[in-house]
Amino acid sequence: AQRVTQPEKLLSVFKGAPVELKCNYSYSGSPELFWYVQYSRQRLQLLLRHISRESIKGFTADLNKGETSFHLKKPFAQEEDSAMYYCALRSYNTDKLIFGTGTRLQVFP
Amino acid sequence: EAQVTQNPRYLITVTGKKLTVTCSQNMNHEYMSWYRQDPGLGLRQIYYSMNVEVTDKGDVPEGYKVSRKEKRNFPLILESPSPNQTSLYFCASSLMGPSRDYTFGSGTRLTVV
Repeated sequence: AQRVTQPEKLLSVFKGAPVELKCNYSYSGSPELFWYVQYSRQRLQLLLRHISRESIKGFTADLNKGETSFHLKKPFAQEEDSAMYYCALRSYNTDKLIFGTGTRLQVFP
Repeated sequence: EAQVTQNPRYLITVTGKKLTVTCSQNMNHEYMSWYRQDPGLGLRQIYYSMNVEVTDKGDVPEGYKVSRKEKRNFPLILESPSPNQTSLYFCASSLMGPSRDYTFGSGTRLTVV
């Protein structure tokens, strides 16, 4: 079964601390993985995708096929990073985007 | 500006009163989808459409209908809303194929009393 698991509902850190939001997936075949961010009262926005291997707003994520993980990392958290973060997997068969349950990141000053 | 437009943003209605939430995109995207977002459950797909006149059920289709008569529009219809359909709804669209990320609408917060 295709599934995305985000084990943490809430992650609280202080400004300047490193952040790692965990994401594990279950998918038969080569997955296409994304991180979306939702700031308070706003729409979901694409943060990054594994294919492009880019860094957006200081965030990076590496696909680890052995551990079936796609954790989101940032070395120094900022207060403006406080938001809801969703890991998502795209199914090649249906183009469907399967979301995890999300992790709320709180960055305290 | 490329965007997905949902209306209304907020809606309070009573049980059983039919309602429609509209979704329109101006990017010529083939793929459109509706999600509902609930605390602790994340986003769950209700229905999707890969092209005009082609729609299919997602994970939680019960109590909802959709139509895709034109490429740009994908309305979500609740024929007889119930309180368990109180949720935040998002419409999304994308091009088909790999590496095509979704563009989301601003969301519709629906309350059924």
